[in-house]
Amino acid sequence: DARVTQTPRHKVTEMGQEVTMRCQPILGHNTVFWYRQTMMQGLELLAYFRNRAPLDDSGMPKDRFSAEMPDATLATLKIQPSEPRDSAVYFCASGLVLGRGNQPQHFGDGTRLSIL
Amino acid sequence: GQQVMQIPQYQHVQEGEDFTTYCNSSTTLSNIQWYKQRPGGHPVFLIQLVKSGEVKKQKRLTFQFGEAKKNSSLHITATQTTDVGTYFCAGPDTGRRALTFGSGTRLQVQP
Repeated sequence: DARVTQTPRHKVTEMGQEVTMRCQPILGHNTVFWYRQTMMQGLELLAYFRNRAPLDDSGMPKDRFSAEMPDATLATLKIQPSEPRDSAVYFCASGLVLGRGNQPQHFGDGTRLSIL
Repeated sequence: GQQVMQIPQYQHVQEGEDFTTYCNSSTTLSNIQWYKQRPGGHPVFLIQLVKSGEVKKQKRLTFQFGEAKKNSSLHITATQTTDVGTYFCAGPDTGRRALTFGSGTRLQVQP
């Protein structure tokens, strides 16, 4: 079965360090989403891309977070500098969106990030 | 902005009992999706409802979309321990042209 691949699965680092999370979407999917999940805030949409173009990043703290999609097989989410409040599970999801309809999103296993 | 609320936040049932979670939107939805997330896992798509009043079944799971397309429910008949997890509804956020996920209902099933 095709699946979304995220790396790393776990990351523990100290405050102030740069964190890079990577995502390989399912081949053929044209939309990639980044979510953050915490107990307090639930599942929050940070940013998403369609056909590699950023469509929305309004959920992301702009001063420290950045999301890019250098090619169709790789999406990245970077945090610099990281802070303890960034500790969460970060999910990447991909889907095939045609027209205005919503299609199922396929999630990766997530990156569990702990900032000390 | 659009809000999608789910109740209850948490439910603990005995195996064999039924379970229902409700999803309510502040706006009319063109469609609604349901996902399940097992403990330590990732959300997995279950189903999408599109039509007003639509009812769909997947084995012991029954999904319903309200007539006004502002609410939805998921009912599980005779729960099993494999049903443990958090169930999310998600509706389209027309402003952001993406999905807004509900807060989720965590189901615990006692064997």
